[in-house]
Amino acid sequence: GAVVSQHPSWVICKSGTSVKIECRSLDFQATTMFWYRQFPKQSLMLMATSNEGSKATYEQGVEKDKFLINHASLTLSTLTVTSAHPEDSSFYICTPTGRPMEAFFGQGTRLTVV
Amino acid sequence: QKEVEQNSGPLSVPEGAIASLNCTYSDRGSQSFFWYRQYSGKSPELIMFIYSNGDKEDGRFTAQLNKASQYVSLLIRDSQPSDSATYLCAVNKNYGQNFVFGPGTRLSVLP
Repeated sequence: GAVVSQHPSWVICKSGTSVKIECRSLDFQATTMFWYRQFPKQSLMLMATSNEGSKATYEQGVEKDKFLINHASLTLSTLTVTSAHPEDSSFYICTPTGRPMEAFFGQGTRLTVV
Repeated sequence: QKEVEQNSGPLSVPEGAIASLNCTYSDRGSQSFFWYRQYSGKSPELIMFIYSNGDKEDGRFTAQLNKASQYVSLLIRDSQPSDSATYLCAVNKNYGQNFVFGPGTRLSVLP
């Protein structure tokens, strides 16, 4: 099955700094990557969709200048949380598309902004 | 109306019993339906998917889909304490599109 590697699995950063999260698809080429966010005791909410070689699309209410997405290759998509604040503390999860019947998620990144 | 709805629970069942988890969705154009299990602090794990009306069985798990009623369920037979987790229902409208998740149902299997 598809293997998705997400890094780091957890990170603590100071308010105002930036954090980069990587999502790699290890055994197939992902033209599209979905980025989800999950706040405590809530479900996964789609933040944005990254597309290889083109601009990402963002869901309503998600600031594109704050959550920078780069999908430069078919195996790597990155999400950078810029000028992080405590309210950005959440669980960030990626999943590639292309095999909808076997949707696998990255391990997730627990971001804590202090 | 939310796109995907689930009872948040907690649903408590004794060990060995059948746990029944329910999910309704609003978009009649939805094509594929997924059940995920999520342990606290972990990423969701796919349990099974279904896209045709009827039942689909995989080991102790059975997914049931009724598109006319816009209803999908998951039955867990012989529930074990290790099944205690949050179960997420997800709906996919079309190939290549994102999943819409329900809020999840927290299941607690009591030993």
